[in-house]
Amino acid sequence: GAVVSQHPSWVICKSGTSVKIECRSLDFQATTMFWYRQFPKQSLMLMATSNEGSKATYEQGVEKDKFLINHASLTLSTLTVTSAHPEDSSFYICSAILQGVYGYTFGSGTRLTVV
Amino acid sequence: AQSVAQPEDQVNVAEGNPLTVKCTYSVSGNPYLFWYVQYPNRGLQFLLKYITGDNLVKGSYGFEAEFNKSQTSFHLKKPSALVSDSALYFCAVRGSGGYQKVTFGTGTKLQVIP
Repeated sequence: GAVVSQHPSWVICKSGTSVKIECRSLDFQATTMFWYRQFPKQSLMLMATSNEGSKATYEQGVEKDKFLINHASLTLSTLTVTSAHPEDSSFYICSAILQGVYGYTFGSGTRLTVV
Repeated sequence: AQSVAQPEDQVNVAEGNPLTVKCTYSVSGNPYLFWYVQYPNRGLQFLLKYITGDNLVKGSYGFEAEFNKSQTSFHLKKPSALVSDSALYFCAVRGSGGYQKVTFGTGTKLQVIP
């Protein structure tokens, strides 16, 4: 079945540094990937839609200069949290849709802690 | 705008008893409905989906869900709960046509008591 690999699964970084999270579709091509953020005891909040070869579409209230998304190939999308601050600490999850399939496949998530 | 409501933050059920996790939705046109399960510090795992056809959908790990158009509901059910079913469950909806955004409910924590 369709598998999405997300790396790293957890990361701790110092305030002010940048962190890159990778999302790969392992056995299919994903022209569209999605990035979500999940706060403790809350639902998933869609941050942006990543489209291969074009600029990402950000949801209202999401800082595009802070959360840089690159989707340079059909199998890889990256989310870079720039100049991270403690309030950016969260669980980030990517997902991809396999063309012709109605559901979404999710990565295993990345726990980001900014100290 | 589409939306999903999961009215219960937590559901407690004894092992071996049937369980129900409730979900209602609002969407324009025909809905595509999904249930996902999330274990601590993990991503979401797909359980089942309704696209069209039979209102009763069977999914992974013995779960099933019933689509009720008149009540705009898609409740998740299992005849006999296991302790290992304890997790966070999300209902989701998207409209038909193209790569539409998925909207998630707030999640329901299922606690199966031994």
